[in-house]
Amino acid sequence: DTGVSQDPRHKITKRGQNVTFRCDPISEHNRLYWYRQTLGQGPEFLTYFQNEAQLEKSRLLSDRFSAERPKGSFSTLEIQRTEQGDSAMYLCASSWSGTDNTGELFFGEGSRLTVL
Amino acid sequence: AQTVTQSQPEMSVQEAETVTLSCTYDTSESDYYLFWYKQPPSRQMILVIRQEAYKQQNATENRFSVNFQKAAKSFSLKISDSQLGDAAMYFCACDGSGYALNFGKGTSLLVTP
Repeated sequence: DTGVSQDPRHKITKRGQNVTFRCDPISEHNRLYWYRQTLGQGPEFLTYFQNEAQLEKSRLLSDRFSAERPKGSFSTLEIQRTEQGDSAMYLCASSWSGTDNTGELFFGEGSRLTVL
Repeated sequence: AQTVTQSQPEMSVQEAETVTLSCTYDTSESDYYLFWYKQPPSRQMILVIRQEAYKQQNATENRFSVNFQKAAKSFSLKISDSQLGDAAMYFCACDGSGYALNFGKGTSLLVTP
């Protein structure tokens, strides 16, 4: 397994356009997380899935944001009608919630969004 | 709600010297984990060290160790024999909510030759 992968790594879009990011977690991990990170800040939690169920959403996740994990494997994060304030690095992470759970999250390299 | 505070936006250390990064947190959970993650420039975040709150012994990983003061809710990271490759953003994080880590704002560590 090569770890958590995210695609695309960089996306430049015009305000008002829709964008979609994909995350492929580590295959045996049942939990998947989305975080947003702006320059000079720590990652901020957006949402997480256990298998295909979306169990928690942050208040940061406005109605323009939607995340899915249809088969409990990869996940997509879509942002509709992008705004300049959406410019950030979107980080995906995965983890295992089994009996040997260490609490550690494994992160991808992120998808950087620039909204012009 | 959990909060994680890193009061040092930037720190600098000379190669081979020791540096300590500070972190305080606030949680109402009785059982939780604390983490230090490293984020090199344009690279993914990786775990440096982890501490389980119910363990009194401070965690160590090679040149990295923590000073965990549960009553004071303090969790500092000590890097010994600093190397150029240690230069990165360091994030302190707390896991007590059962589902996600809460991160501090980070400390940028500069290592000078």
